[in-house]
Amino acid sequence: GDSVTQMEGPVTLSEEAFLTINCTYTATGYPSLFWYVQYPGEGLQLLLKATKADDKGSNKGFEATYRKETTSFHLEKGSVQVSDSAVYFCALTLRDSGYALNFGKGTSLLVTP
Amino acid sequence: EAGVTQSPTHLIKTRGQQATLRCSPISGHTSVYWYQQALGLGLQFLLWYDEGEERNRGNFPPRFSGRQFPNYSSELNVNALELEDSALYLCASSLWNRGYEQYFGPGTRLTVT
Repeated sequence: GDSVTQMEGPVTLSEEAFLTINCTYTATGYPSLFWYVQYPGEGLQLLLKATKADDKGSNKGFEATYRKETTSFHLEKGSVQVSDSAVYFCALTLRDSGYALNFGKGTSLLVTP
Repeated sequence: EAGVTQSPTHLIKTRGQQATLRCSPISGHTSVYWYQQALGLGLQFLLWYDEGEERNRGNFPPRFSGRQFPNYSSELNVNALELEDSALYLCASSLWNRGYEQYFGPGTRLTVT
């Protein structure tokens, strides 16, 4: 079945470090791909999305490129801040599944001053 | 513009009881999705409602049910509560033709004792 695999956390970085969180997927069709962020005690916020191959999603300094050849959607940020500390979820959705989001297990990020 | 709202914020129930969770979508959104975020199990899709009808269902037993009202708000009912139903229940909404772009509420924390 369709699934998302993302790197295990927690990831601990110093402020201004470069961030990469790996995400790969398995899907029977052509999914749309997402990164969601969950800050402590809050619900999910859509961070960025890409709906077709080679699309690059970007928001708040975060970027991810939809790579069909490697079935990947890695999240990157050039310089993290303490306020980026949160749990990051990679997800896919397919029109055939009624757009039900299929999430990875989440990666916890802690940025220290 | 108001976001997705959920009530109550917290709910404590005893095993065997019933729980009712409520969700109000963003104005203009007709689709409502329910997800369960249980410790150790990650985020799992529960139900999708659109135009008052259940359109899709995740791998959950029938004691998880719900409905969508004419104003597009939704209820999730969990009957015969079990300890493992303790989780954060998240509601999301989308426009009818943009199901791949879901906006989440803050969630209801259900604790079953």
